[in-house]
Amino acid sequence: DTGVSQDPRHKITKRGQNVTFRCDPISEHNRLYWYRQTLGQGPEFLTYFQNEAQLEKSRLLSDRFSAERPKGSFSTLEIQRTEQGDSAMYLCASSRIGAGRVEQFFGPGTRLTVL
Amino acid sequence: QKEVEQDPGPLSVPEGAIVSLNCTYSNSAFQYFMWYRQYSRKGPELLMYTYSSGNKEDGRFTAQVDKSSKYISLFIRDSQPSDSATYLCAMSAQGGSEKLVFGKGMKLTVNP
Repeated sequence: DTGVSQDPRHKITKRGQNVTFRCDPISEHNRLYWYRQTLGQGPEFLTYFQNEAQLEKSRLLSDRFSAERPKGSFSTLEIQRTEQGDSAMYLCASSRIGAGRVEQFFGPGTRLTVL
Repeated sequence: QKEVEQDPGPLSVPEGAIVSLNCTYSNSAFQYFMWYRQYSRKGPELLMYTYSSGNKEDGRFTAQVDKSSKYISLFIRDSQPSDSATYLCAMSAQGGSEKLVFGKGMKLTVNP
């Protein structure tokens, strides 16, 4: 399967703990996006990378959130001192800019539950 | 006012019906328009992609974009029970991050 993969698929944690999610984009996709989706809502943009550079962050991304994409391949999203309001589905998407198309392809998501 | 508005439904139709899903938007900078299908507890799956105005057909699915009215539609012909899912419209501006702005999603059920 050459689609976007995310790990873990589910994470249950206690309030105040740190969690880290991983996303592996489609091979040769140079853009990688993180979105958050809560129940009954569409996904909301958090941040994106072009290659290894993080070029935009949403105001939704508080300073407890940090994302990296070392070497322009996989990406990690870390949430420090989790709060119950962080419970959501965290989605990763990738696209290949420069080929004249901008479609984003999504992974299966990581569902986070903060107790 | 949200940038993208989508009636969240739910919508229930009999098998074989024609389904019409719609979104309106307020940002005239949007140039790319997409429809995603999302099954429960799964990631969104890209169905249709359209650049600027016009129609696009793919099998039983037709996407329409009317930029003058800031209105997009997805039509599903001969709907099947397997089409039961949440349908999300998404759009982005050209240049910059091209981040997607989504509607809330419409939950569709096709009854056998």
